[in-house]
Amino acid sequence: AQSVAQPEDQVNVAEGNPLTVKCTYSVSGNPYLFWYVQYPNRGLQFLLKYITGDNLVKGSYGFEAEFNKSQTSFHLKKPSALVSDSALYFCAVRHNAGNNRKLIWGLGTSLAVNP
Amino acid sequence: EAGVTQSPTHLIKTRGQQATLRCSPISGHTSVYWYQQALGLGLQFLLWYDEGEERNRGNFPPRFSGRQFPNYSSELNVNALELEDSALYLCASSFYRMAVEAFFGQGTRLTVV
Repeated sequence: AQSVAQPEDQVNVAEGNPLTVKCTYSVSGNPYLFWYVQYPNRGLQFLLKYITGDNLVKGSYGFEAEFNKSQTSFHLKKPSALVSDSALYFCAVRHNAGNNRKLIWGLGTSLAVNP
Repeated sequence: EAGVTQSPTHLIKTRGQQATLRCSPISGHTSVYWYQQALGLGLQFLLWYDEGEERNRGNFPPRFSGRQFPNYSSELNVNALELEDSALYLCASSFYRMAVEAFFGQGTRLTVV
């Protein structure tokens, strides 16, 4: 079955330290990969995506993600965390074959950046 | 460029009533997705519409239904409301045939009492 896993419900990091939010997926073929962020009581905002090409993708607010095909992972990273990065982060995979192109979502990881 | 707009922002209904939620996609987007985000359950896929047709449906009972209009706006209807239907309902839009991200609205907070 196709799935996306975010193994950590919560990640805590001190301000200024690097952060990593993990995502692994199980989808056949060559999927498209996305990261979204959700601030309290708000909708989701797009951060970045991997379609093809360079495995390191840079996105909004200084975030980047590394696609690793052999490990079927797409971890979100930022070199230096800010308190304002505290939010809920979702990884999503879009199957890109046939007529079923819906997004498959992870359950989210709550990131807390401590001052 | 206007983003995805949802209305109403908040909706309070009584158990057994019907709720109607509305979504206007970004201009030019033909696909509309509906999600339910209940506390502690992450994003649950509800429905996907494209070009006026239902393309896919999540694991929800038939009392969750919807439609997409010729202008690509969409409506989600929830009949016979239950307390556990209380959640944030998110709408997203995208181009169907292009490998681009979906854009989300701010959501409708439905509370069933």
